Amino acid sequence: KQEVTQIPAALSVPEGENLVLNCSFTDSAIYNLQWFRQDPGKGLTSLLLIQSSQREQTSGRLNASLDKSSGRSTLYIAASQPGDSATYLCAVRFRGGSARQLTFGSGTQLTVLP
Amino acid sequence: SQTIHQWPATLVQPVGSPLSLECTVEGTSNPNLYWYRQAAGRGLQLLFYSVGIGQISSEVPQNLSASRPQDRQFILSSKKLLLSDSGFYLCAWSVGGSGELFFGEGSRLTVL
Repeated sequence: KQEVTQIPAALSVPEGENLVLNCSFTDSAIYNLQWFRQDPGKGLTSLLLIQSSQREQTSGRLNASLDKSSGRSTLYIAASQPGDSATYLCAVRFRGGSARQLTFGSGTQLTVLP
Repeated sequence: SQTIHQWPATLVQPVGSPLSLECTVEGTSNPNLYWYRQAAGRGLQLLFYSVGIGQISSEVPQNLSASRPQDRQFILSSKKLLLSDSGFYLCAWSVGGSGELFFGEGSRLTVL
């Protein structure tokens, strides 16, 4: 079964700290992996999309890496700010199944303390 | 730039009443369109998928239906709501089947 796991479910850090969010997936045969941010009661905002041929993507203070062989992706947030507080979701588009189907992790709820 | 609009944002409906949620995308042509549901503690579940006008794929059996009357319009409907239909409904779009996915702001449905 193709699954996506995010651990921990919740994380609290002081402002200014660099942090890493983890995402693991059970099958290395993927099309791509996407990181999202969700604020309470809101839709999902796309942060980064990594294609299967790529090792990392960067946007501002965010850097996402992809290691297909180990089934892992990390989202690195530099110099965290209270405004970064949100739930971060990882989603994987696996090969072999329906190409339209993104499999989502359950998310990591991040709180950045001022 | 592309934008996606979804409405209503919040809806409270009695059991047995009908439902209509609408979603429109601007700034792109022939997008793939999706309806997801996010229930508390259960993550995101894909409900419907469409690659073009009138082309709807249902991912899970349920009390809901979807329609795509125009290229950039996607509608989620029900004839009679159940309590279990309560949840947060999200419309999304992508270019192509494996492109980056973009979500709307969501519609909170409470069935009483």
